[in-house]
Amino acid sequence: QSVLTQPPSASGTPGQRLTISCSGSSSNIGANYVYWYQQFPGKAPKLLIYMTIERPSGVPDRFSASKSGTSASLAISGLRSEDEADYYCAAWDVSPRNWVFGGGTKLTVL
Amino acid sequence: EVQLVESGGGLVQPGGSLRLSCAAPGFTFSIYWMSWVRQAPGKGLEWVANIREDGTEIFYVDSVKGRFTISRDNSKKSVYLQMNSLRVEDTGVYYCVRDRDWLGWDYWGQGIPVTVSS
Repeated sequence: QSVLTQPPSASGTPGQRLTISCSGSSSNIGANYVYWYQQFPGKAPKLLIYMTIERPSGVPDRFSASKSGTSASLAISGLRSEDEADYYCAAWDVSPRNWVFGGGTKLTVL
Repeated sequence: EVQLVESGGGLVQPGGSLRLSCAAPGFTFSIYWMSWVRQAPGKGLEWVANIREDGTEIFYVDSVKGRFTISRDNSKKSVYLQMNSLRVEDTGVYYCVRDRDWLGWDYWGQGIPVTVSS
């Protein structure tokens, strides 16, 4: 099982606002930045959020993220069909010293 | 244009070895950390290893320590993953990733499949 915990699936309708949670511990999310990656089937992941809340250029501002304590969340507003993908959270874990991922959340736009 | 091109994957028997290569033309390779991230079939992402710009710092996930070795050659703009004592559970797609430390993994290769099976 993954070190970070995400719901395996989420769904919403076009235009809706939806959040995906990511739960960790004091040695990873509680101590460091959180990252979010988006992956379409058969494709390489893409960086969506870095340093917990920052969006790389080219990522729509419909995507936002936050952190509180040992949990983080990714919010998608104005949901679109093209947002259907798998979403992964990640963080550096200080003990042991390695990067850890959530198990991924499969987003379905109904 | 940033490109990461993996090679060296394939089918290998349990206990065997493979060496993955990743060529990284198109950017100043020598100033970036590099990582390998893998994904088992139908499963999530798993970070495997990373290496500092000059090769002086290296980290591995526990499950590959003692079996995998990450290395780089800045003169060839390439990073490598030597995989020994391969296990069935090492099967998956391996991605070469430009690692911008706290700025995230911003460029990914297309992925190279590795299958460990008898």
